[in-house]
Amino acid sequence: GENVEQHPSTLSVQEGDSAVIKCTYSDSASNYFPWYKQELGKRPQLIIDIRSNVGEKKDQRIAVTLNKTAKHFSLHITETQPEDSAVYFCAAKGAGSYQLTFGKGTKLSVIP
Amino acid sequence: GAVVSQHPSWVICKSGTSVKIECRSLDFQATTMFWYRQFPKQSLMLMATSNEGSKATYEQGVEKDKFLINHASLTLSTLTVTSAHPEDSSFYICSALVWDIQYFGAGTRLSVL
Repeated sequence: GENVEQHPSTLSVQEGDSAVIKCTYSDSASNYFPWYKQELGKRPQLIIDIRSNVGEKKDQRIAVTLNKTAKHFSLHITETQPEDSAVYFCAAKGAGSYQLTFGKGTKLSVIP
Repeated sequence: GAVVSQHPSWVICKSGTSVKIECRSLDFQATTMFWYRQFPKQSLMLMATSNEGSKATYEQGVEKDKFLINHASLTLSTLTVTSAHPEDSSFYICSALVWDIQYFGAGTRLSVL
């Protein structure tokens, strides 16, 4: 089955700096890669996603890049703000499946 | 995005009792819903896939007799933790599938005494 590795597990940045979280996946047939943000004790919320036919997607301060050849995708947050502090999960969906395989999460702390 | 309601948000029960958790899609019909378990500071672990009108598909290692799933309508899936024990204490989260995007409920924190 699919295996998703996520790094780093924790990340601290100064407010205004950029943050990058990286994930790799094992199944070359995976075709959908969402990123979720989860604040403590709350539901995971979809913040951005990318499909395998696209190399990059941007939404304001958030961007995701996908390298299918290397089987890795990354989340980029620019101009970080304290409210960006949360746990971020990457995930991958295999072709022909609706299930998501999640990475272990990255705890992002934005220091004011 | 789609709205998924999960109830209750928090439940405390005695060991040996059963607890039912509801997951509702409020503004769409969800043929497929998922149930996850999340331990503190850990990732989401898929327990089962719930399909409307058919039996749920359980992941390896998840006891189907322990975690009963019913998806009787296009807007409601339920998870019943039967004969709960302290080791079942956890955060349970459901999600509903819209096309290929999963929208999550707010989760249920179960504490078994």
